[in-house]
Amino acid sequence: EVQLVESGGGLVEPGGSLRLSCAASGFTFNTYGMNWVRQAPGKGLEWVSSISDNSRYIYYGNSVKGRFTISRDNAQNSLYLQMNSLRAEDTAVYYCARDRSSSWHGADFWGQGTLVTVSS
Amino acid sequence: DIQLTQSPSFLSASVGDRVTITCRASQGISSYLAWYQQKPGRAPKFLIYDASTLQIGVPSRFSGSGSGTEFTLTISSLQPEDFATYYCQQLNSYPRTFGQGTRLEVK
Repeated sequence: EVQLVESGGGLVEPGGSLRLSCAASGFTFNTYGMNWVRQAPGKGLEWVSSISDNSRYIYYGNSVKGRFTISRDNAQNSLYLQMNSLRAEDTAVYYCARDRSSSWHGADFWGQGTLVTVSS
Repeated sequence: DIQLTQSPSFLSASVGDRVTITCRASQGISSYLAWYQQKPGRAPKFLIYDASTLQIGVPSRFSGSGSGTEFTLTISSLQPEDFATYYCQQLNSYPRTFGQGTRLEVK
């Protein structure tokens, strides 16, 4: 059974940093691209970042470029999101999501999400 | 960046109704479009990819169509469990934008 479990969320002050993790199981992690998608309270989905299976290709949304860094450890079956210079507008539930067989298809499995709150 | 506009943003319908949601892209995206369903407090659920291919396990009352800039998601006969918010997402280019969502409510 495919499982994605996010962790690392919490309350952080503006300008602070946080590192999210996503533990993957039930599939061959190193053959799938992965994504982070967020959802602000009461709002829609916003794509944040994607990383290819071998970390060769990495992409970011405009709102997080230069502040967030996506990475993965295929030996540990884990995905990460390092978030720096956090702003109030980064407050959201952050989901880890697996690409289907191709990055052109969309994300077929999602974690339950971890809440990040940026506030003083 | 490619913008996706869903219509309507809100839709009231009854069990058994046929409903259609439209997703329009600001530029052509071939068939690189996915649809998701999300219920309150839950992660999104993957429904359709390549604009019209049903993900395994998704009921056949769901269908998708379109290419280029105009796409539709149709539910042929609404069931109680279908009341949720639906999102489209383009996979043609980065950033991988989502539509703003369509909230489907019980009439």
